[in-house]
Amino acid sequence: DVKVTQSSRYLVKRTGEKVFLECVQDMDHENMFWYRQDPGLGLRLIYFSYDVKMKEKGDIPEGYSVSREKKERFSLILESASTNQTSMYLCASSRQGIGTEAFFGQGTRLTVV
Amino acid sequence: AQSVTQPDIHITVSEGASLELRCNYSYGATPYLFWYVQSPGQGLQLLLKYFSGDTLVQGIKGFEAEFKRSQSSFNLRKPSVHWSDAAEYFCAVGAWQAGTALIFGKGTTLSVSS
Repeated sequence: DVKVTQSSRYLVKRTGEKVFLECVQDMDHENMFWYRQDPGLGLRLIYFSYDVKMKEKGDIPEGYSVSREKKERFSLILESASTNQTSMYLCASSRQGIGTEAFFGQGTRLTVV
Repeated sequence: AQSVTQPDIHITVSEGASLELRCNYSYGATPYLFWYVQSPGQGLQLLLKYFSGDTLVQGIKGFEAEFKRSQSSFNLRKPSVHWSDAAEYFCAVGAWQAGTALIFGKGTTLSVSS
């Protein structure tokens, strides 16, 4: 069974902390994505990566960075967490190619206090 | 630019009644279209997808969707809703070139009344 695993289901962090959200996929997918989900706003793309060490900004990259040192792992970094980054974060992966479907992790509910 | 619109934010349907969730897309070429479902506190699960060919697509859990190019729509349907179908549903348009991401609508929340 294909799997995208996010390291934490729930996280509580303090304002100003550096936060790492980890995502691992076991499908040998080239593409990996980080989305943020907020009520009424749907899924908004933060960053994605189409290859190791490659990254592209999505629609809302401000305040975030990413790291992809290995094909199976894609990390989202909040350099200095703020309360407006309290949200659900979803990681996904997909094969390279046009129109390929994305497989999602369970999500990480991050609360910044 | 590509975009997806789900006109209904929230829909309530009686158990056993039929369901139709609307999705309209804006896209410059042949679209790749998806419906995902998200149960509370969970990630997204793929219900079905359209790439080409037959415009009526069957998915999991008894769902189907119909692609209508003339209306730029890809509406999701189910003939008889079960209480377990209560969830949030997202329509998405697929990557228009290699190395790009899915674009999602804002979602429709489905409530099922008994």
